[in-house]
Amino acid sequence: EAGVAQSPRYKIIEKRQSVAFWCNPISGHATLYWYQQILGQGPKLLIQFQNNGVVDDSQLPKDRFSAERLKGVDSTLKIQPAKLEDSAVYLCASSLDPGAGLFFGSGTQLSVL
Amino acid sequence: AQSVAQPEDQVNVAEGNPLTVKCTYSVSGNPYLFWYVQYPNRGLQFLLKYITGDNLVKGSYGFEAEFNKSQTSFHLKKPSALVSDSALYFCAVRDGSSNTGKLIFGQGTTLQVKP
Repeated sequence: EAGVAQSPRYKIIEKRQSVAFWCNPISGHATLYWYQQILGQGPKLLIQFQNNGVVDDSQLPKDRFSAERLKGVDSTLKIQPAKLEDSAVYLCASSLDPGAGLFFGSGTQLSVL
Repeated sequence: AQSVAQPEDQVNVAEGNPLTVKCTYSVSGNPYLFWYVQYPNRGLQFLLKYITGDNLVKGSYGFEAEFNKSQTSFHLKKPSALVSDSALYFCAVRDGSSNTGKLIFGQGTTLQVKP
């Protein structure tokens, strides 16, 4: 079974630029999550999708972050404009349903200069 | 509100000795508890979970964890540590009474196993 795929693996941008991350969950997993992991901290949930609907985006900085999951499969997370404090690893995870365990991708490491 | 505390930033053990990585949690409903491990430049890997049933849960790579409701703890244990167990470990909790499945993570504990 293929795992959660994320790209790019690394991204370096300057502040005020925009960036987008892509995630392809495990086939058949209805629930998709985006987490932000700042160095030295645990992952923090940004947004959770159930199929193509948003379940929880309470911690998503909506003035600069956006995410979508068209057709309930792949998802993209965008930051526009980026700030220095957005430097982190962005992890995508998926699960069969909200009660099941999460499977994580390898993440995208973002550096904002 | 849900929260998870991992009181130790780092745990050091000698290879072959038992290890314990501590975790306490707070949740309003039924706790669903998880342990994940993260190796350098890798995503999080699932180790084990407690949903219901036996308080002692066995997981991958010889790890186990004990759920203690009265102490609201879910400590990760292994009888004999390996150098290859050295990694970053995260405890996480979900409110089982909620159907949204939001998973809250602790800040992580670095396990260092020395030969």
